Amino acid sequence: DAKTTQPNSMESNEEEPVHLPCNHSTISGTDYIHWYRQLPSQGPEYVIHGLTSNVNNRMASLAIAEDRKSSTLILHRATLRDAAVYYCILRNTDKLIFGTGTRLQVFP
Amino acid sequence: DAGVIQSPRHEVTEMGQEVTLRCKPISGHNSLFWYRQTMMRGLELLIYFNNNVPIDDSGMPEDRFSAKMPNASFSTLKIQPSEPRDSAVYFCASSLPRGSKIHNNEQFFGPGTRLTVL
Repeated sequence: DAKTTQPNSMESNEEEPVHLPCNHSTISGTDYIHWYRQLPSQGPEYVIHGLTSNVNNRMASLAIAEDRKSSTLILHRATLRDAAVYYCILRNTDKLIFGTGTRLQVFP
Repeated sequence: DAGVIQSPRHEVTEMGQEVTLRCKPISGHNSLFWYRQTMMRGLELLIYFNNNVPIDDSGMPEDRFSAKMPNASFSTLKIQPSEPRDSAVYFCASSLPRGSKIHNNEQFFGPGTRLTVL
């Protein structure tokens, strides 16, 4: 499975935008880029996914580089509830292989 | 829908005892996944089923671990005998088939079972 690289931690203030980066230089043409997050004491939850084009949903936006070797998850206005570990995962099978993710802290 | 249901939520047992964790997937989902999460190793996929059939058990740590899915609405993960290093949070997740246009094939996770083996 192709690997992803994320910063260990990031900080944000409430109501500010947050850009969470992910590098995946060995991505293959069939790999989808998935993002999940895990709130404290909960199971992971799906955030968004994409293949080549940028994607938007009610939770976040996903910006994918033209060469697909990196992507950025964008939270447009961080809230305290967005404090979580965010996982960037490359997926081309049924399996999700989780890395260490980015721990996002949100300050009031 | 109640989501993925796991029981028990917490389990404390002594080394050598048998432990059985239970999972009820979301109705209509035909894929079921068992994960384990520890501080040292993070989130690891142990095994997954499609249509009640085990597809990939390469993540199962050793023969002490076994998983079954006797029907579409129930799965168990059994550890026998349990050891202190099995202490972890065990998550069950379910999803629709890949290629399904509903829910983008996302996996829905249960709340987890926190296992402590003394």
